[in-house]
Amino acid sequence: DSGVTQTPKHLITATGQRVTLRCSPRSGDLSVYWYQQSLDQGLQFLIQYYNGEERAKGNILERFSAQQFPDLHSELNLSSLELGDSALYFCASSRDRGEKLFFGSGTQLSVL
Amino acid sequence: DQQVKQNSPSLSVQEGRISILNCDYTNSMFDYFLWYKKYPAEGPTFLISISSIKDKNEDGRFTVFLNKSAKHLSLHIVPSQPGDSAVYFCAASVIQGAQKLVFGQGTRLTINP
Repeated sequence: DSGVTQTPKHLITATGQRVTLRCSPRSGDLSVYWYQQSLDQGLQFLIQYYNGEERAKGNILERFSAQQFPDLHSELNLSSLELGDSALYFCASSRDRGEKLFFGSGTQLSVL
Repeated sequence: DQQVKQNSPSLSVQEGRISILNCDYTNSMFDYFLWYKKYPAEGPTFLISISSIKDKNEDGRFTVFLNKSAKHLSLHIVPSQPGDSAVYFCAASVIQGAQKLVFGQGTRLTINP
């Protein structure tokens, strides 16, 4: 158990819909990262938050947004969903930059 | 632009033998490299890392080698065990500034009894 909690584990929705993925980092970790893993793809970095502020941005679509709340949990919002958004979405946390990441078990999103 | 590449999607090794997983990178700014292991239905878990000031780091059965001039790193597992069967991801980052791990596509390692 990495200590990073992601909910829900599975999500099935339709094109055009909006969903929210939730992540609770390990106790004491200030940084939260979101990654997307599509079929046969590596983990694509989406966005990082550190203590409530956006720290780094990767290949995140404009239809996607995220935030980190004062209690340090984070949400990834995906809107106007398309079939190609179907993927495994991972959240990870770390105490500070330069440290290894601890990953949650992911949310499997299926857009039908 | 794939900055971190794992060119072998899969690798099959006999139990007890050495497993060698390879990774190439293109960004010369990377100064910290990690290997993660992933079992089905679980998130990746950290395995071993190496800083660019070193060329080797060892942890039990796992050794990571870094060749900066070739922009290449490898993970050696000796001896390989059935429990090592998993997908292995190579990752790299730049320590200065915002940490952003860039991952390779992964290599599925199967250890045959």
